[in-house]
Amino acid sequence: EPEVTQTPSHQVTQMGQEVILRCVPISNHLYFYWYRQILGQKVEFLVSFYNNEISEKSEIFDDQFSVERPDGSNFTLKIRSTKLEDSAMYFCASSGSGAYNEQFFGPGTRLTVL
Amino acid sequence: AQSVTQPDIHITVSEGASLELRCNYSYGATPYLFWYVQSPGQGLQLLLKYFSGDTLVQGIKGFEAEFKRSQSSFNLRKPSVHWSDAAEYFCALYSGTYKYIFGTGTRLKVLA
Repeated sequence: EPEVTQTPSHQVTQMGQEVILRCVPISNHLYFYWYRQILGQKVEFLVSFYNNEISEKSEIFDDQFSVERPDGSNFTLKIRSTKLEDSAMYFCASSGSGAYNEQFFGPGTRLTVL
Repeated sequence: AQSVTQPDIHITVSEGASLELRCNYSYGATPYLFWYVQSPGQGLQLLLKYFSGDTLVQGIKGFEAEFKRSQSSFNLRKPSVHWSDAAEYFCALYSGTYKYIFGTGTRLKVLA
């Protein structure tokens, strides 16, 4: 069964460093998403991406964040200058032909900013 | 405003007992609703979803949920809980604009 994969599973970085979180969505999906879950809190939407551009972004997704689909398979989230409060689990998701279609979530990347 | 409320932060049940986790939503049209389960340190696994049609939805692992438009609710149920069901459960709503809105989650503890 196709699944969304994410790498790395755990990333530790120093405050101020740039990180890139990688995701491989399900191959025939067209909509891609990033969500964040701070430890013990709810899952929060960050950004959605369709047709090579951002469809929607939350207020969390400020200028420090960017997304890219550099090739036909990967979908990345970049944080330019990490802050302590960026420590969280980051989930990638993808969905098929309609944005309302079920979103399939990856296993997440735990980001720890020291 | 669109929102999802899970009133119970923690629930403890004995193994073999029945379970109901509450979810209330606010949405102006017919909602698309989901229940996800998250085991410690793991990702989100879809239990079931409601798009339209039959208001009683069956999911995996013996879970079901009932959509009640009049009460704006989508409660998750299981007739007999197993110790392996201990996890965090999230209700989610498709917002109509590319994103899901998640509730704050209910942490389920199962007593042996």
